[in-house]
Amino acid sequence: KQEVTQIPAALSVPEGENLVLNCSFTDSAIYNLQWFRQDPGKGLTSLLLIQSSQREQTSGRLNASLDKSSGRSTLYIAASQPGDSATYLCAVRRIYTDKLIFGTGTRLQVFP
Amino acid sequence: DGGITQSPKYLFRKEGQNVTLSCEQNLNHDAMYWYRQDPGQGLRLIYYSQIVNDFQKGDIAEGYSVSREKKESFPLTVTSAQKNPTAFYLCASSNWRALAGTLAKNIQYFGAGTRLSVL
Repeated sequence: KQEVTQIPAALSVPEGENLVLNCSFTDSAIYNLQWFRQDPGKGLTSLLLIQSSQREQTSGRLNASLDKSSGRSTLYIAASQPGDSATYLCAVRRIYTDKLIFGTGTRLQVFP
Repeated sequence: DGGITQSPKYLFRKEGQNVTLSCEQNLNHDAMYWYRQDPGQGLRLIYYSQIVNDFQKGDIAEGYSVSREKKESFPLTVTSAQKNPTAFYLCASSNWRALAGTLAKNIQYFGAGTRLSVL
């Protein structure tokens, strides 16, 4: 059974810091891995998607890496800003399906 | 604007009552999904549908029912059999048909959610 874990559960940092959020999964038979952002009381916004054959993806200040063999992904946020405050969720897609398995999220607070 | 619309934003259920959450998409996506989110937990899949008139149970389908009569619509009914319905419910859609045999991203797009509480 695929299990997805995110560490840390919560993080509070001053503005300007570079951050690393971690996601680990138990079954490497995945099609891809997605990182999402969720603002309080809102839906999810897709940030980055990494196919199983890829090592990393970048979008602006965000960089996500994937090491499928070790069951790990990291989301790197450069030069954090207060507007980055949100919960960040990772999700893996099982092979041969379109079902996503979600982690429990990392709640990020960036203070000025 | 293309997107997914969930309504209502807030919903209250009385004991023994069935309630229906609406989800409509105009993205022309084949697949639609319903998730439940509880505080401090990740999203859990309730039901999903890859094509009109067909749907599959997810991991926590007991106490819920769905229909998929139109491509654009995937309503979720929370029945009286669901004894702990208080949660945040999220609907999503994706272009499932782009998945097979390609490197298409098949990203899931989410609605803004419905918060259900019990009176």
